[in-house]
Amino acid sequence: KAGVTQTPRYLIKTRGQQVTLSCSPISGHRSVSWYQQTPGQGLQFLFEYFSETQRNKGNFPGRFSGRQFSNSRSEMNVSTLELGDSALYLCASRTAEAYEQYFGPGTRLTVT
Amino acid sequence: AQTVTQSQPEMSVQEAETVTLSCTYDTSESDYYLFWYKQPPSRQMILVIRQEAYKQQNATENRFSVNFQKAAKSFSLKISDSQLGDAAMYFCASSNTGNQFYFGTGTSLTVIP
Repeated sequence: KAGVTQTPRYLIKTRGQQVTLSCSPISGHRSVSWYQQTPGQGLQFLFEYFSETQRNKGNFPGRFSGRQFSNSRSEMNVSTLELGDSALYLCASRTAEAYEQYFGPGTRLTVT
Repeated sequence: AQTVTQSQPEMSVQEAETVTLSCTYDTSESDYYLFWYKQPPSRQMILVIRQEAYKQQNATENRFSVNFQKAAKSFSLKISDSQLGDAAMYFCASSNTGNQFYFGTGTSLTVIP
């Protein structure tokens, strides 16, 4: 089975712009979670989607949003980018029954 | 909310030796899961091992094993016969529902040839 894929792998944006990141989960996985990883804050949970519904959300401002499509692919959007949004954004998927998550390679976002 | 603490920012081990990475957690839930993930320099997070809290038996995956002390809320990872490929950042994580994971700050493991 193919693993979790994320596109793009690298992205450079300017402050004030918006960005959309994409995540394709492992086939058969209906849950997709997003994390922000930074050297200072570590891994922080953004949100989790299951069957197109957001089930859980971390403590991030409303500029961070996401959605999930019927094929379980998910997108994450960040509007009005700030310098502090520079991070590695990780996506993880799992089945409905299992608890372990499988991560994608991440998207490295740099905001200048 | 749950918290996960990794008190060792960096560890090193000689190749072929054994090393133990520490992790403590705090949760009010009675049913939860614990995990160790490995993140090599390539950045892909890889699941190393998982432990269900209701199981008393410590999980083992080849050279990786855990010491799960539920009363002490401790979940350490032991790597036996360390190999150069084990060099990575190791994250301890907990989850009670599977919907949200709580991660520790990580331990950077160096393997010395």
